[in-house]
Amino acid sequence: AIQMTQSPSSLSAFVGDRVTITCRASQGIKNYLGWYQQKPGKAPNLLIYAASTLQSGVPSRFSASGSGTEFTLIISSLQPEDSATYYCLQGDSHPWTFGQGTKVEIK
Amino acid sequence: EVQLVESGGGLVKPGGSLRLSCTASGFTFSTYSMNWVRQAPGKGLEWVATISSSSNYIYYADSMRGRFTISRDNAKNSLYLQMNSLRVDDTAVYSCVRGWGTIDYWGQGTLVTVSS
Repeated sequence: AIQMTQSPSSLSAFVGDRVTITCRASQGIKNYLGWYQQKPGKAPNLLIYAASTLQSGVPSRFSASGSGTEFTLIISSLQPEDSATYYCLQGDSHPWTFGQGTKVEIK
Repeated sequence: EVQLVESGGGLVKPGGSLRLSCTASGFTFSTYSMNWVRQAPGKGLEWVATISSSSNYIYYADSMRGRFTISRDNAKNSLYLQMNSLRVDDTAVYSCVRGWGTIDYWGQGTLVTVSS
């Protein structure tokens, strides 16, 4: 199974800061990677699909890049409503695997 | 509006069985692959199983293969998960999700608690 290593596991940043989250795949997954935001008690929300395509309705401060084994999610200017846990998901081959999650807190 | 509504969760003893259902609306259910994803309390997301649009392709996570069965009824816009030989570590919120490669819609989930 493909392992997804997500880092950091948590971070704390100020409003307006640039935040970077990374997912590394144990083998190449082309661009079959999605990024999800989950707030407490809520279902995850798709932010990015195909590694770098912004889902409709998602604020433009979210962006992502990568291909193969290294992927990055960037929040260009952190906002209070971005406090959440973020997950990556590889959909290249079964079993699909999620990253362990990154909890983003606002200082 | 896409809606996925799960039901069938509850409290079950170890070794017991439970059948989850998901009713879909707001899209052409028969043309989409569907999945179950679970989340144990305070833990991360875990993919459970995938079924293709016409049920030709079915995949399971290793820890659930042989115990869980995913199925669908396109005439009823419904997805199912039959769970047998349940274990304490199967305790989680089980969510019905849409997509192949990318999950684009999630239900709110149904809680399954396995405890004696």
